[in-house]
Amino acid sequence: QKEVEQDPGPLSVPEGAIVSLNCTYSNSAFQYFMWYRQYSRKGPELLMYTYSSGNKEDGRFTAQVDKSSKYISLFIRDSQPSDSATYLCAMSANTDKLIFGTGTRLQVFP
Amino acid sequence: KAGVTQTPRYLIKTRGQQVTLSCSPISGHRSVSWYQQTPGQGLQFLFEYFSETQRNKGNFPGRFSGRQFSNSRSEMNVSTLELGDSALYLCVSSLSGTAREQYFGPGTRLTVT
Repeated sequence: QKEVEQDPGPLSVPEGAIVSLNCTYSNSAFQYFMWYRQYSRKGPELLMYTYSSGNKEDGRFTAQVDKSSKYISLFIRDSQPSDSATYLCAMSANTDKLIFGTGTRLQVFP
Repeated sequence: KAGVTQTPRYLIKTRGQQVTLSCSPISGHRSVSWYQQTPGQGLQFLFEYFSETQRNKGNFPGRFSGRQFSNSRSEMNVSTLELGDSALYLCVSSLSGTAREQYFGPGTRLTVT
């Protein structure tokens, strides 16, 4: 069993929809939680960073961490075609080595 | 400021050969990490260097090695290439290695035939 599980998708939604992306994990030592977005032929870019449990909002993006359930989520409101990309969750017990999910491919159609 | 630079961007090698990939981090950043990305395994951590010292290492065979120079530029080397080494190799630049400030390069796409 992988330390971090993520549904690979693809997830296809209409423009304007609310998107929910999720990851589960098994290592209770994880305390840093990140979401990255990766466009085709590009490196991942950091979208959201959360330390420990709780919610964090940044514009149309909201990240949630539930350490008791070992479950993290990323919500995208008012999704746009430009949001079409692969979304990767990543976690860390300390501050350097990141453990990634395999990524969820999202397609937002007009 | 300039981003993370990786060279070459694309590479085709034959089984048994060796390859060296290069990464120039963001100016002032002292930590460089390397990741391998494949469709089946996703992103996997290779190693991290900070001020020329390897600070952390992933679960890869000894064929994978790296180093960092005094100007923070880093190289990774893969010897005796196997077909399974075909992947996107990503370099990550960070000021000190903390998770919240890690910047990925565009990657080097390695194909082993």
